[in-house]
Amino acid sequence: EVQLVESGGGLVTPGGSVRLSCAASGFTFSSGWMRWVRQAPGKGLEWVGRIISKTHGGTIDYAAPAKGRFTISRDDSENTLYLQMNSLKTEDTAVYYCTTSYSGDGRDHWGQGTLVTVSS
Amino acid sequence: DIQMTQSPSSLSASVGDRVTITCQASQDISNYLNWYQQKPGKAPKLLIYDAFNLETGVPSRFSGSRSGTDFTFTISSLQPEDIATYYCLQYNNLPNTFGQGTKLEIK
Repeated sequence: EVQLVESGGGLVTPGGSVRLSCAASGFTFSSGWMRWVRQAPGKGLEWVGRIISKTHGGTIDYAAPAKGRFTISRDDSENTLYLQMNSLKTEDTAVYYCTTSYSGDGRDHWGQGTLVTVSS
Repeated sequence: DIQMTQSPSSLSASVGDRVTITCQASQDISNYLNWYQQKPGKAPKLLIYDAFNLETGVPSRFSGSRSGTDFTFTISSLQPEDIATYYCLQYNNLPNTFGQGTKLEIK
């Protein structure tokens, strides 16, 4: 069974940093195309960025609000996905989900999410 | 960026009703569209992938279809447990983009 468990969320002051982790199991992590999606309180879903498998080039792409402030990385030896978030703004307050696709079609799996609150 | 225009934003229907939600893409996305169900406090759950395909374990009353850049999600007979917010997602282009969501309520 695919499991994705996010951690690292919490209260952060504006301008601060936080690193989220997503521990994966139940599939070959190194083959997974991994994505971060966020959801501000009471709002819709927003794609943050993705990292594809190293065998497909390991390309990393970001949504405009994340470019230059967020960094996505992966450790295939630890089956873990990361999201380093710097220069945080109040509008970054959201539940952050990691998702994976590895079957070559549109099927994906989601973690339970971790809440990041940016507030003074 | 591809815009996904989802409608309606909210919907009230009775148990047993046929319910339809649409997403219109601003350009061709082929069949690269998923439909998700999200209940309060929970992660989105995949229902339909690649526009038409029912995810394993999802009841057959859920279905998806496509006509050009218009995508339709249908619940053939609404059940009380279907109360949720539904989202479409296009993954043909980066950035991937979601529809605004449809909040479904029971009348």
